[in-house]
Amino acid sequence: GENVEQHPSTLSVQEGDSAVIKCTYSDSASNYFPWYKQELGKGPQLIIDIRSNVGEKKDQRIAVTLNKTAKHFSLHITETQPEDSAVYFCAASIYKLSFGAGTTVTVRA
Amino acid sequence: NAGVTQTPKFRVLKTGQSMTLLCAQDMNHEYMYWYRQDPGMGLRLIHYSVGEGTTAKGEVPDGYNVSRLKKQNFLLGLESAAPSQTSVYFCASSAAGTVLEQYFGPGTRLTVT
Repeated sequence: GENVEQHPSTLSVQEGDSAVIKCTYSDSASNYFPWYKQELGKGPQLIIDIRSNVGEKKDQRIAVTLNKTAKHFSLHITETQPEDSAVYFCAASIYKLSFGAGTTVTVRA
Repeated sequence: NAGVTQTPKFRVLKTGQSMTLLCAQDMNHEYMYWYRQDPGMGLRLIHYSVGEGTTAKGEVPDGYNVSRLKKQNFLLGLESAAPSQTSVYFCASSAAGTVLEQYFGPGTRLTVT
């Protein structure tokens, strides 16, 4: 089955700086790559996704890039704000989602 | 529109006890899922359903049973709870046309002593 590795496990950034989270996947047939944000005490919320026919996608301060050859994809958050503090999960999918272990992002004021 | 709701939010069980977790969605989604979340392990799929009256095993189904008697509800049962089932349980749902775009509930924190 699909194996997704996510790095780093924790990330602390100064408010206003950028944050980058990277994920690698094992199955080259995976074609859908969502990112979820989980705030304390809540369920994961889909924030952005990318499909295998697209190399980059942006939505305001967040962007995702995909390198199919290297089998890795990344989440970029620019101009970080305190409300960006959360746990972020990547996932890869052919027909079902396989999740990474998560990255705890802390934005320091 | 409440989305996906889960009851209860918290529960403590003793080893060997049984319980049922309820998931409800009001988005008319065909697909529903149960995941467990453990520290450092992300989300793992327990069981899922592609429609009313159907269920299928996921990645970690042992010790759990499910039922989907109504389209909007998906029940997760633990017949004889074990400490290894201490976890946070999330329900999710998705539409048939966008199966992988899953919407999650707020979770149930279960502790088995």
